[in-house]
Amino acid sequence: AQKVTQAQTEISVVEKEDVTLDCVYETRDTTYYLFWYKQPPSGELVFLIRRNSFDEQNEISGRYSWNFQKSTSSFNFTITASQVVDSAVYFCALSEEAGTALIFGKGTTLSVSS
Amino acid sequence: DVKVTQSSRYLVKRTGEKVFLECVQDMDHENMFWYRQDPGLGLRLIYFSYDVKMKEKGDIPEGYSVSREKKERFSLILESASTNQTSMYLCASRRQGWTEAFFGQGTRLTVV
Repeated sequence: AQKVTQAQTEISVVEKEDVTLDCVYETRDTTYYLFWYKQPPSGELVFLIRRNSFDEQNEISGRYSWNFQKSTSSFNFTITASQVVDSAVYFCALSEEAGTALIFGKGTTLSVSS
Repeated sequence: DVKVTQSSRYLVKRTGEKVFLECVQDMDHENMFWYRQDPGLGLRLIYFSYDVKMKEKGDIPEGYSVSREKKERFSLILESASTNQTSMYLCASRRQGWTEAFFGQGTRLTVV
């Protein structure tokens, strides 16, 4: 069974629209971390955010915001007023042990048109 | 500026060749990883290493081996390249702890 599910394979929006990328995870651990990465066309994965399992406070960074809900095992990512430069593949990932490999979802490809 | 550097951005190899993908990190991280990325499949873990000369199999180790002779360097080896190993390969490193992983720019390998 997938431990990290990103059900949206592709999303297309027009500039200035808001868009939410969904992430649902599965773990039996009480201590874990969740991550979001962005992969632009250049290919390198860029770290966006890290959230631990004990901190359900939502976070906002500019146009980006994250909603973590343990009750639904979700860690969703919203881009407000999307821009063409937001076009990329976005990955959600889970870490169940310190230092070990991140477990990735299959990614969501976001296309923002002008 | 922290860096994970992969030796090649693009590689074209012939079926049956032995292929080496090199990765170097300058952050003194204990842990290093090799992932493979294919459309619709996301990132899948091939091998990882927690220390020099230590290695562990990931989810898809078949057809691959690794080498870590120095802390900063982690090599992925395709013993006999096959066309189904055509893919994007991503190297990452991570400190022992709950920090994020840092990724290299990726190597797009084509086996013909």
